[in-house]
Amino acid sequence: DAGVIQSPRHEVTEMGQEVTLRCKPISGHDYLFWYRQTMMRGLELLIYFNNNVPIDDSGMPEDRFSAKMPNASFSTLKIQPSEPRDSAVYFCASSLAGGFSGANVLTFGAGSRLTVL
Amino acid sequence: DQQVKQNSPSLSVQEGRISILNCDYTNSMFDYFLWYKKYPAEGPTFLISISSIKDKNEDGRFTVFLNKSAKHLSLHIVPSQPGDSAVYFCAAIEDGATNKLIFGTGTLLAVQP
Repeated sequence: DAGVIQSPRHEVTEMGQEVTLRCKPISGHDYLFWYRQTMMRGLELLIYFNNNVPIDDSGMPEDRFSAKMPNASFSTLKIQPSEPRDSAVYFCASSLAGGFSGANVLTFGAGSRLTVL
Repeated sequence: DQQVKQNSPSLSVQEGRISILNCDYTNSMFDYFLWYKKYPAEGPTFLISISSIKDKNEDGRFTVFLNKSAKHLSLHIVPSQPGDSAVYFCAAIEDGATNKLIFGTGTLLAVQP
């Protein structure tokens, strides 16, 4: 398996522009998570899906952020309009159901580094 | 409010010595803890975990200790190697409640040759 695949790896955009980040989870994984990494807050959970349905979006910072999972193999995180404070690394991760243990772990993609000028 | 805290942003250790990374948590409902390791330009990868019914879990050079009364856990790496240089994230979960993994801010470990 190729693992969790994210695109783009790097995105530089100007304030006010729309940004779309994409994720392909590991085939067969029931859960998909979007995290954001910043120096101040570490890895923050933004939203997660179970079987393509959003379960908890309480971490989404503002209405400018939205996420969708139209099918089991694809998800997007959209920021519209983008602001400089959105600059961060955004990670997608996936897992099987049943909670986390040594046998079932959260597998991350390589991340999308977003810079908003 | 940070429920999982890693108060040391960075740590420098000599090769061959012990590295000790610390993590504190505030939510007494957390009962499963994990450590993830992250190299630059890569996603975090799972390293080791511990259930709250245990106070120690060991995997090769890596040992995690849990002190529930103090709401504190630590990761010991012995002996430390230059390849261990990375950012280490502590994470916690309320087992059985959700699949919501809460991470700390991370500690950058530098192992000097």
